[in-house]
Amino acid sequence: QKEVEQNSGPLSVPEGAIASLNCTYSDRGSQSFFWYRQYSGKSPELIMSIYSNGDKEDGRFTAQLNKASQYVSLLIRDSQPSDSATYLCAVISSGSARQLTFGSGTQLTVLP
Amino acid sequence: GAVVSQHPSWVICKSGTSVKIECRSLDFQATTMFWYRQFPKQSLMLMATSNEGSKATYEQGVEKDKFLINHASLTLSTLTVTSAHPEDSSFYICSALPGGCFGPGTRLTVT
Repeated sequence: QKEVEQNSGPLSVPEGAIASLNCTYSDRGSQSFFWYRQYSGKSPELIMSIYSNGDKEDGRFTAQLNKASQYVSLLIRDSQPSDSATYLCAVISSGSARQLTFGSGTQLTVLP
Repeated sequence: GAVVSQHPSWVICKSGTSVKIECRSLDFQATTMFWYRQFPKQSLMLMATSNEGSKATYEQGVEKDKFLINHASLTLSTLTVTSAHPEDSSFYICSALPGGCFGPGTRLTVT
């Protein structure tokens, strides 16, 4: 069983719409959660980190964490064509061996 | 804050040579650094986890004698690809904790 799961997509939304990206994780003790954006041929770029249950907003991005359901999501409001990329969810596992485990990524396309 | 740099950004070498890639945390002390490899249109693949002052932990299937990792200080980790071959051509990326930021990556092409 994969430790971090994402819908691989592709996910297409029209410009101006809300894009919703979902991620589930298996390690109940995980404490740190990250969303990255990766453009083709480039290194991942950190968009948001979240550590507590609830919502965290930064500009057009909102991360939502529900530890009881082992679920973390990313909402992108007013989606722009420049948001088209692969979005990676990552989780730091519990225990002494700190490891950043990635989902396989969701490819998002924002249609003009 | 939390900037990670890599050097070189790209390298082309002949088969059989060794290539060293540096990963630096510029404005923070990185207790843990991760090395990833990514082939075109594929997901990131974790190669190894590097903790300052201790031996790196390699993922299953990654040859530790071929991919030498040294994390000698809290701001520098190096990955050396020894006796590189064309199949080692890939995009190598490091990331660091705390913070979780990635370096810009190093594109290796072995001819």
